[in-house]
Amino acid sequence: EVQLLESGGGLVQPGGSLRLSCAASGFTFSSYAMSWVRQAPGKGLEWVSSLSDSGGSTYYAGSVKGRFSISRDNSKNTLYLQMNSLRAEDTAVYYCAKDSVAARPEYWGQGTLVTVSS
Amino acid sequence: DIVMTQTPLSLSVTPGQPASISCKSSQSLLHVDGETYLYWYLQKPGQSPQLLIYELSSRFSGVPDRISGSGSGTDFTLKISRVEAEDVGVYYCMQGLHLPHTFGPGTKVDIK
Repeated sequence: EVQLLESGGGLVQPGGSLRLSCAASGFTFSSYAMSWVRQAPGKGLEWVSSLSDSGGSTYYAGSVKGRFSISRDNSKNTLYLQMNSLRAEDTAVYYCAKDSVAARPEYWGQGTLVTVSS
Repeated sequence: DIVMTQTPLSLSVTPGQPASISCKSSQSLLHVDGETYLYWYLQKPGQSPQLLIYELSSRFSGVPDRISGSGSGTDFTLKISRVEAEDVGVYYCMQGLHLPHTFGPGTKVDIK
């Protein structure tokens, strides 16, 4: 059974930093691309970033490019999202997703809430 | 970016009756490889999204056959042949043809 467990969310001041983690199990982590998708309170879904299986290719939404960095440690079956220069509009639940063979979100974690506020 | 729209934005359905959600994209989602990269997700109340349909019409593991996806080019439809109580939630279409992947605004389905 695929399991994805996000952690690292919390309250941070504008301009601050936070690193999210996603611990994966139930599949061969190193064989699949992974993604982060977020959902602002009461709003819809927004794709944030994706990373290839090897970690060699990264992709970002325009709204986070230059501020967020996605990475993975295949030896630890863990996905990361380093978030810098956080803004109020980054407030959201952040979901980690295992991508399908076609590199689109397939299985989703339960999410971790990031609140950016002073 | 590809813009995704959905209609209706909310839907109230009698159990056992059919339901249909429309999704449109601002450009064709047909790839040169012949696949149409249109996805449907359901977010049940208080839960994370779950994949229902991938690549236009393929049901994901565990999805009942009363749920189906169809369409072509820029116009797509999710159909539920007989709505059940477990179908309540918000349905999102997503295009996976180009990055950034973009989602429709969602269609909230509830039971009458």
